[in-house]
Amino acid sequence: DGGITQSPKYLFRKEGQNVTLSCEQNLNHDAMYWYRQDPGQGLRLIYYSQIVNDFQKGDIAEGYSVSREKKESFPLTVTSAQKNPTAFYLCASSTAGVGPGEQYFGPGTRLTVT
Amino acid sequence: AQSVTQLGSHVSVSEGALVLLRCNYSSSVPPYLFWYVQYPNQGLQLLLKYTSAATLVKGINGFEAEFKKSETSFHLTKPSAHMSDAAEYFCAVSEGSGYSTLTFGKGTMLLVSP
Repeated sequence: DGGITQSPKYLFRKEGQNVTLSCEQNLNHDAMYWYRQDPGQGLRLIYYSQIVNDFQKGDIAEGYSVSREKKESFPLTVTSAQKNPTAFYLCASSTAGVGPGEQYFGPGTRLTVT
Repeated sequence: AQSVTQLGSHVSVSEGALVLLRCNYSSSVPPYLFWYVQYPNQGLQLLLKYTSAATLVKGINGFEAEFKKSETSFHLTKPSAHMSDAAEYFCAVSEGSGYSTLTFGKGTMLLVSP
């Protein structure tokens, strides 16, 4: 079945450590996105990529980094510079068409930093 | 800049009652509008989308939404609530085509009582 895979489902890290969240899709979508979700805040865009080897900052990119070396993969690194990294992280992908491509979401990774 | 306001962080209904979740948007161009649903600790699933065709849009699970340009609204309705509808609902807006990013509202938690 086609879809988006995020791993792991739950992730625990100590403060000061970098951590990388995985996102893989087999939908053959060109665009991929990372969102952060906090209670009562909705989804906020961290980074997005429309094509391999290119990506743009979203609204809250500080303290995060990404890479897009393959069409299928868009890993997100939460660095030690991110002041409040504990959150639920969602990856999504979309394809272009007439009008905006709807975004398909992965199951999410819940990151807890103590 | 585009924005979305969802009125009411929580909405409670009885099983069998009408569901009405409110969404107002701000956009400098004709928008594309989306409703997503999220069950606990899961990703988002698309319920329906408006892309400038019919103003009344039907989605999955018996939900529908009506685009009203004069009111800048895109409210989500369902004639009869079911216990399985209990979830968080997000309205989102996009101003462009292709790979345009989505701006999400803060979400409305729908509670359904027997």
